[in-house]
Amino acid sequence: DQQVKQNSPSLSVQEGRISILNCDYTNSMFDYFLWYKKYPAEGPTFLISISSIKDKNEDGRFTVFLNKSAKHLSLHIVPSQPGDSAVYFCAASPLNTNAGKSTFGDGTTLTVKP
Amino acid sequence: DAGVIQSPRHEVTEMGQEVTLRCKPISGHDYLFWYRQTMMRGLELLIYFNNNVPIDDSGMPEDRFSAKMPNASFSTLKIQPSEPRDSAVYFCASSRSGAGEHEQFFGPGTRLTVL
Repeated sequence: DQQVKQNSPSLSVQEGRISILNCDYTNSMFDYFLWYKKYPAEGPTFLISISSIKDKNEDGRFTVFLNKSAKHLSLHIVPSQPGDSAVYFCAASPLNTNAGKSTFGDGTTLTVKP
Repeated sequence: DAGVIQSPRHEVTEMGQEVTLRCKPISGHDYLFWYRQTMMRGLELLIYFNNNVPIDDSGMPEDRFSAKMPNASFSTLKIQPSEPRDSAVYFCASSRSGAGEHEQFFGPGTRLTVL
């Protein structure tokens, strides 16, 4: 049973437009959510996170929204730039953990066209 | 800080051979994770350590896989014997413990090809 799901394997948007990447989770024990970005031939790097006590967190062009009742989060990138083209992983951590142990989704490949 | 270091970056071997992947975590990090990424299964957690002790190895596919962490600055993932289906990118990641410490720092990965 996959506890973190990214149902869209790929997304293509035009430069300057908004990119919206979605993530659903099933485990109600998850209370911290992260997005990682991965370029080819590199490891994933942390992008932005949100705690379950918030419903929005913003960092420059990147905003993450959390809807706990729907067990859904989304990453908004605006405006999108060609350099944002990468694989984006959603990850979730459970309550009461001091570890960085997270469950990852399968990733969404974002392509931003110039 | 050098980040998480993995070696080799690429490994090509023949079926049946032993493969050893190496990882040096970020100094001061007390958690270490091994992941495998494939097209079919995405990013899978294989095993993780806390203070050099294996905590959860439920993701290790089978007995052919083993991982060790003899000290805080070194870990290995060994596959013996290797099979073509083990071909994947293997990532090592590390993190700190503590409230709010959820971010993992990944190495560049080892691309393993088993012929």
